[in-house]
Amino acid sequence: DAKTTQPTSMDCAEGRAANLPCNHSTISGNEYVYWYRQIHSQGPQYIIHGLKNNETNEMASLIITEDRKSSTLILPHATLRDTAVYYCRAISSGSARQLTFGSGTQLTVLP
Amino acid sequence: EAEVAQSPRYKITEKSQAVAFWCDPISGHATLYWYRQILGQGPELLVQFQDESVVDDSQLPKDRFSAERLKGVDSTLKIQPAELGDSAMYLCASSGQAEAFFGQGTRLTVV
Repeated sequence: DAKTTQPTSMDCAEGRAANLPCNHSTISGNEYVYWYRQIHSQGPQYIIHGLKNNETNEMASLIITEDRKSSTLILPHATLRDTAVYYCRAISSGSARQLTFGSGTQLTVLP
Repeated sequence: EAEVAQSPRYKITEKSQAVAFWCDPISGHATLYWYRQILGQGPELLVQFQDESVVDDSQLPKDRFSAERLKGVDSTLKIQPAELGDSAMYLCASSGQAEAFFGQGTRLTVV
């Protein structure tokens, strides 16, 4: 799987949009961009994934650049409960694919 | 909503003792993962199963750790003998064709 690079930490004011960047410059054509988050003392939680089109669900939006070398996860109205470590991963399609985690971005939503 | 079940939630054991963790994945999920997470770090993949077969156990310390998924459904991770450095959260996850779902984990403390 392609290497991903994320900032170590970010702050965001409550109610504002949180934009979390991820670089994946070596991503291959069959690799999807996945985002997970981990709230303190809980297991990781799936947020969203995409291949090349922008995606939106009830939790977040995912914007992938046209060259697919980077992406941004957007939490449109951050709340204190969004404080967590956010992981961006490039994962190939199909079953039996490996899911590993790096260090992620610690997002702190400030009141 | 279907969940990945793990037990126990918490375990305290003395060093040199044996300890086992159990995971029941979401029904129908062929892929099952075991992770170890030390406080302040991202989850580290220990072993990955596809049905009952191990597809990756390169990071599993095989001198003391073992994992099995005999019927391709639930799985057990064992440590024998436990060492002080094994104190961590042990997470189980399962996936079908897309995202992975995580259990709440087992918090192990070795004293």
